[in-house]
Amino acid sequence: EDQVTQSPEALRLQEGESSSLNCSYTVSGLRGLFWYRQDPGKGPEFLFTLYSAGEEKEKERLKATLTKKESFLHITAPKPEDSATYLCAVQAGNTDKLIFGTGTRLQVFP
Amino acid sequence: KAGVTQTPRYLIKTRGQQVTLSCSPISGHRSVSWYQQTPGQGLQFLFEYFSETQRNKGNFPGRFSGRQFSNSRSEMNVSTLELGDSALYLCASSLLPGQNTEAFFGQGTRLTVV
Repeated sequence: EDQVTQSPEALRLQEGESSSLNCSYTVSGLRGLFWYRQDPGKGPEFLFTLYSAGEEKEKERLKATLTKKESFLHITAPKPEDSATYLCAVQAGNTDKLIFGTGTRLQVFP
Repeated sequence: KAGVTQTPRYLIKTRGQQVTLSCSPISGHRSVSWYQQTPGQGLQFLFEYFSETQRNKGNFPGRFSGRQFSNSRSEMNVSTLELGDSALYLCASSLLPGQNTEAFFGQGTRLTVV
């Protein structure tokens, strides 16, 4: 069965303290891995799509990487406005549905 | 360019009632998917529509149904509401199915069943 697991569930960081979020997956025929950011009471906001192992993408303080079994979202020198829940999802096989992990709740303190 | 629009934003319904939620995708996007988000289960796929046809369906009971119109707008319906149906219902739109394009989400409809 296709599965996505995110860790840690929650992460508290001091402003400027870099860290990484993990997304491990077990799927048949990965077509794409997606990262989203979700603020309370809002819909997920698209961040990145990764398609093949070795691929990396960056946006401001965020960098996403992909291997054959997991993806990392690296946050460099985070700011309080980076506080949110970060969701990882995969598309697999011949379906467009997204299979989500349960997310990592990130809190960045000044 | 307007994003994905979901209406209403909030709903309170009584057990046993039915509810219809609406989703207008990004202009030009023709694929619409629906998800249910709860604290315990996270985001769960409900169904996906393209060209007024359901392409995929998640593991939800038949009380959950949907449709898509010729202008790509979509509605989902939940009949005989149960307390456990309380959730944030999210709609996502993408350009076309079967292609590696990003899915963009609306703000969601918060449904509370009392």
